[in-house]
Amino acid sequence: DGGITQSPKYLFRKEGQNVTLSCEQNLNHDAMYWYRQDPGQGLRLIYYSQIVNDFQKGDIAEGYSVSREKKESFPLTVTSAQKNPTAFYLCASSMKGDMGAYEQFFGPGTRLTVL
Amino acid sequence: SQQGEEDPQALSIQEGENATMNCSYKTSINNLQWYRQNSGRGLVHLILIRSNEREKHSGRLRVTLDTSKKSSSLLITASRAADTASYFCSSGTYKYIFGTGTRLKVLA
Repeated sequence: DGGITQSPKYLFRKEGQNVTLSCEQNLNHDAMYWYRQDPGQGLRLIYYSQIVNDFQKGDIAEGYSVSREKKESFPLTVTSAQKNPTAFYLCASSMKGDMGAYEQFFGPGTRLTVL
Repeated sequence: SQQGEEDPQALSIQEGENATMNCSYKTSINNLQWYRQNSGRGLVHLILIRSNEREKHSGRLRVTLDTSKKSSSLLITASRAADTASYFCSSGTYKYIFGTGTRLKVLA
């Protein structure tokens, strides 16, 4: 099955902890993205990567970090510097090219709750 | 900042009726896309319409694009209970900008 997976589905974090959200795709896509969704809101772009070993900040990158060591994987770390991390996090991938030119494929999401 | 703005924010209809939702955007685009999101799930791509297209169909979906008004509409015909979801438009040139979505509820 081709697709994009995220784990875990639910994640609980204590204040002051860093946590890492996993995102894996086997669609052979070069581009990958992380979004944050808050209740009743649209998606806001955190980070994106168009190629291995390269990534750019999105609109709300503060308090987050990413790596792109492999084409298939784009993990997101929510650091303790992120003041309000409770949200639904979505990972997506697409073919490489001008951003916005191709459809995005989304994972099922990770719901992060800070205790 | 959000570019897309869907209208209405919420819509409730009876099964079999048509559902129309609209999306407005602010800057120029090279294409516009519609996605569906079931509660607590990821987004599923529905349809992409390019800036030089005015209308596109896919099954029970019909999308129109008016670049002069910077707006698009999504029509779902003969709606089903399974169509209950949030619908988002994504627009922009060189980036994906999502609106806040329309929450559609189809009553059986």
